[in-house]
Amino acid sequence: DAGITQSPRHKVTETGTPVTLRCHQTENHRYMYWYRQDPGHGLRLIHYSYGVKDTDKGEVSDGYSVSRSKTEDFLLTLESATSSQTSVYFCAISVRQGPDTQYFGPGTRLTVL
Amino acid sequence: EDQVTQSPEALRLQEGESSSLNCSYTVSGLRGLFWYRQDPGKGPEFLFTLYSAGEEKEKERLKATLTKKESFLHITAPKPEDSATYLCAVLSGGSGGGADGLTFGKGTHLIIQP
Repeated sequence: DAGITQSPRHKVTETGTPVTLRCHQTENHRYMYWYRQDPGHGLRLIHYSYGVKDTDKGEVSDGYSVSRSKTEDFLLTLESATSSQTSVYFCAISVRQGPDTQYFGPGTRLTVL
Repeated sequence: EDQVTQSPEALRLQEGESSSLNCSYTVSGLRGLFWYRQDPGKGPEFLFTLYSAGEEKEKERLKATLTKKESFLHITAPKPEDSATYLCAVLSGGSGGGADGLTFGKGTHLIIQP
């Protein structure tokens, strides 16, 4: 157990509304990641963080922003949700044992109507 | 661009019937290959990391192997509780648009029938 929690676990929202998902870790790991998982696709990287206030874009970053003001929290924001952002979102942390083994949280299922 | 292809997409076995799952990859400088298990409604659970060709790792009924082009996850005498989706991922300098992101395959859905 890597001590990762995600909130909310489920959310239904409407097109055009802002949404923020939270990832919280208890072990002060430096590296945190946001992925999305969709049928017919593997998990895809949205954004990642390598420290407080240090973030970078992943493969599918359009329409998403992130923030990390504390080591333990990594927030993913959809400024104006669209139906194409309906997905399951996973947060991960890297414990930096050799080549960056990543451990995943339980996920947030987001539905945009 | 890094690519990971898993086969088969789905596999149904009888309890005790051994088999292998395949993960073929194309990367620019492999830093690690990872196997995860995912149960419905849950996050991926880490199984193995392989670093270089020829490496093997085992855990209970699972054994992962690595060559320069592919990895295999061998399942020996599986039980119904081994039913899950198995995910393969790679890490390289060019993964996922960022230096530290994993590139995943689509997974193999494994069902073990009693």
